[in-house]
Amino acid sequence: KQEVTQIPAALSVPEGENLVLNCSFTDSAIYNLQWFRQDPGKGLTSLLLIQSSQREQTSGRLNASLDKSSGRSTLYIAASQPGDSATYLCAVPTSGTYKYIFGTGTRLKVLA
Amino acid sequence: KAGVTQTPRYLIKTRGQQVTLSCSPISGHRSVSWYQQTPGQGLQFLFEYFSETQRNKGNFPGRFSGRQFSNSRSEMNVSTLELGDSALYLCASMLPDWGGKNEQFFGPGTRLTVL
Repeated sequence: KQEVTQIPAALSVPEGENLVLNCSFTDSAIYNLQWFRQDPGKGLTSLLLIQSSQREQTSGRLNASLDKSSGRSTLYIAASQPGDSATYLCAVPTSGTYKYIFGTGTRLKVLA
Repeated sequence: KAGVTQTPRYLIKTRGQQVTLSCSPISGHRSVSWYQQTPGQGLQFLFEYFSETQRNKGNFPGRFSGRQFSNSRSEMNVSTLELGDSALYLCASMLPDWGGKNEQFFGPGTRLTVL
């Protein structure tokens, strides 16, 4: 059974800091992993998708890595800004299906 | 290209009633998934439809059901509403890619409150 854990649960940092958010999953038989952000009361915005054959993906100040063998992914945010304040979620599919399991998220607050 | 749309955005119902939520996927996307999000349980998978067929199902009671139409639009229905069904219901559309490039795009959600 796929289980997804995100650490830390919450994070508060001053503007400009570089951040690392962690996502761990128990079943490494995944074909991709997706990172999202969610603003309060809103839907999810896709940030990055990493296929199982890839080690990392980059989009602007965001970089996500994937280590299937250890069941881990990290989301690196460079030079954080107050606009980055949101909850960040990772999601992985259960083996052989399109049923996605989400982590509980990391609530990030970037202080100006 | 228009994103995923969900209607209605807000809904208030009383216990015992039933409700139908609608989701229109991104044009060309044939897979639609539904999720329930609550503060206590987080995001939980309800079901996924592809080409009008339910392919995957989460661990929810039979009161939760869905369907997909030939134009890929999807509806979910909850019958005999309970207080615990109060949640944000999210729909995601995807262009299935067997190589793993399938990326989910979410709608804004429907906020259901059961009184």
